[in-house]
Amino acid sequence: DQQVKQNSPSLSVQEGRISILNCDYTNSMFDYFLWYKKYPAEGPTFLISISSIKDKNEDGRFTVFLNKSAKHLSLHIVPSQPGDSAVYFCAASGNNAGNMLTFGGGTRLMVKP
Amino acid sequence: DAGITQSPRHKVTETGTPVTLRCHQTENHRYMYWYRQDPGHGLRLIHYSYGVKDTDKGEVSDGYSVSRSKTEDFLLTLESATSSQTSVYFCAISEKDRGLSNEKLFFGSGTQLSVL
Repeated sequence: DQQVKQNSPSLSVQEGRISILNCDYTNSMFDYFLWYKKYPAEGPTFLISISSIKDKNEDGRFTVFLNKSAKHLSLHIVPSQPGDSAVYFCAASGNNAGNMLTFGGGTRLMVKP
Repeated sequence: DAGITQSPRHKVTETGTPVTLRCHQTENHRYMYWYRQDPGHGLRLIHYSYGVKDTDKGEVSDGYSVSRSKTEDFLLTLESATSSQTSVYFCAISEKDRGLSNEKLFFGSGTQLSVL
């Protein structure tokens, strides 16, 4: 049973518009959430994170929102650029020895020029 | 660049043969992880290590073993490879190396393994 789910396998957005990627989780013990970006033939790279004590974290064009009551987080990219085309993974961790991250299945974002 | 090198980058092998993947880090971190990436499943933890000779199982550890004889090297072994182990394997180290929540992981470039 997947504890972290990304229900949209793919998303297509026009350049300059907003991209919204969604993630749901089931484990209430998760207290730290991350987004990773992955290009083909490369390892995932860290993008942005949020602690459960916050509901929003912003870094340039990227903003992550956390709704703890709904166990839902989202990543907003504004404005979207063609270089943002990649697979985005949501991940969560919390209160476990070894800081193991649990990942969602990923969403492939395509930003069209 | 977090100083993580994985080798080989690509490997094709036959069912039933043993395979070892290597992860080398230059950061002197205690915590190292092996994940596999499969379509629809994201990344799933296979094994992790919290020090030399200290390892523990992850979510999908069946069919895999690991060894950590030196801080810098973490080896993943498939004792008898099966087609279901065809995947992309990623090694990772933890940002602050305390083994706690709120630390990000840094990943290597991956090993594409095909078991025929």
